Amino acid sequence: AQTVTQSQPEMSVQEAETVTLSCTYDTSESDYYLFWYKQPPSRQMILVIRQEAYKQQNATENRFSVNFQKAAKSFSLKISDSQLGDAAMYFCAYTPTGAGSYQLTFGKGTKLSVIP
Amino acid sequence: KAGVTQTPRYLIKTRGQQVTLSCSPISGHRSVSWYQQTPGQGLQFLFEYFSETQRNKGNFPGRFSGRQFSNSRSEMNVSTLELGDSALYLCATKVSGGNTGELFFGEGSRLTVL
Repeated sequence: AQTVTQSQPEMSVQEAETVTLSCTYDTSESDYYLFWYKQPPSRQMILVIRQEAYKQQNATENRFSVNFQKAAKSFSLKISDSQLGDAAMYFCAYTPTGAGSYQLTFGKGTKLSVIP
Repeated sequence: KAGVTQTPRYLIKTRGQQVTLSCSPISGHRSVSWYQQTPGQGLQFLFEYFSETQRNKGNFPGRFSGRQFSNSRSEMNVSTLELGDSALYLCATKVSGGNTGELFFGEGSRLTVL
């Protein structure tokens, strides 16, 4: 069974600084997607960034970037120039590709606080 | 474009009762998934529906069920409620079936079982 582990239950960062959230996963699949989702206090989960396992290039979305290490099964999220609005729960998630249902396996999450 | 709408947002039930939660997807989205979120277990997949068919089901007892209507709206039902069913239930939708596309989440239905 696939598992996703986020080893940092809580983290904090000063406004305008950079922070990295860690995620490791376990799977026997060779092709899959990895995601970072953000859940602000209002609770609506939104997609931050997505990585396809067959792509070696790390995904980036504005201030958000990932460090994808397939052999190590590691998928960390870097937030640059942190803003107050970045404060939220961040979830790492995984789904295998291929036919069939779309089912995300989530990590337990990291609560990020941004200090003004 | 309206987002994913879940109703009710909050509800309180007692043990042994049953509950029905509703999810209206974004217009054009045909895949609807449900997740249970608790502090202890995190986010766990309940089931996914596409074109009125359940495509997959997570590791939950038979008390948890769902369905999808022809307009893609979905409901989930929990019968014989237990204290441990207290959770935030999240609905997520996307345009098509298969393993591509972004999931869009609703704000959730917060269920408290007393």
